[in-house]
Amino acid sequence: GIQVEQSPPDLILQEGANSTLRCNFSDSVNNLQWFHQNPWGQLINLFYIPSGTKQNGRLSATTVATERYSLLYISSSQTTDSGVYFCALGTNAGKSTFGDGTTLTVKP
Amino acid sequence: DSGVTQTPKHLITATGQRVTLRCSPRSGDLSVYWYQQSLDQGLQFLIQYYNGEERAKGNILERFSAQQFPDLHSELNLSSLELGDSALYFCASSAGPHYEQYFGPGTRLTVT
Repeated sequence: GIQVEQSPPDLILQEGANSTLRCNFSDSVNNLQWFHQNPWGQLINLFYIPSGTKQNGRLSATTVATERYSLLYISSSQTTDSGVYFCALGTNAGKSTFGDGTTLTVKP
Repeated sequence: DSGVTQTPKHLITATGQRVTLRCSPRSGDLSVYWYQQSLDQGLQFLIQYYNGEERAKGNILERFSAQQFPDLHSELNLSSLELGDSALYFCASSAGPHYEQYFGPGTRLTVT
């Protein structure tokens, strides 16, 4: 099946800093999503981005499908950004694969 | 609130027992997905249904089964439970197989 690799596995930032999270994948995909899992376990949709670039406030994402990677940018980080960030991919066969996540800790 | 509902929120049961987890998708969504999140294996895709039919199968054990009913709600049945089945079980829904998925709050299963 498709392999998904997220980096870095852990990230510690000071409030106000910027960061880039990466998701590499091994095969072509039909869809790609970024999620934030908050400390209460909720999975919150950030972006549905099989290709191209999107922005939502302090967050933006870019997927380059031909090179099999996606990036999530967080600017001016806040303590509420803490949690685990996952990328998830869907293939033509209908299966979904999540990466192992990046655990972000933002310190005040 | 994603619009996906799951019941119950928490479930504590003993080894060897059987439980049923329930999911109601967002209004209008035809696809339902089940996932298992455990500490040692991360988020694992179990199964996908589309408009009542099984569409894709992932790492679902033979002791587990699921179905999607005509009203589009779905149930995940877990039987002969083992300690290792303790996990957070998520349901997600989407308009169709390649559309954006929205996740419910999850059911936390503890097997003792």
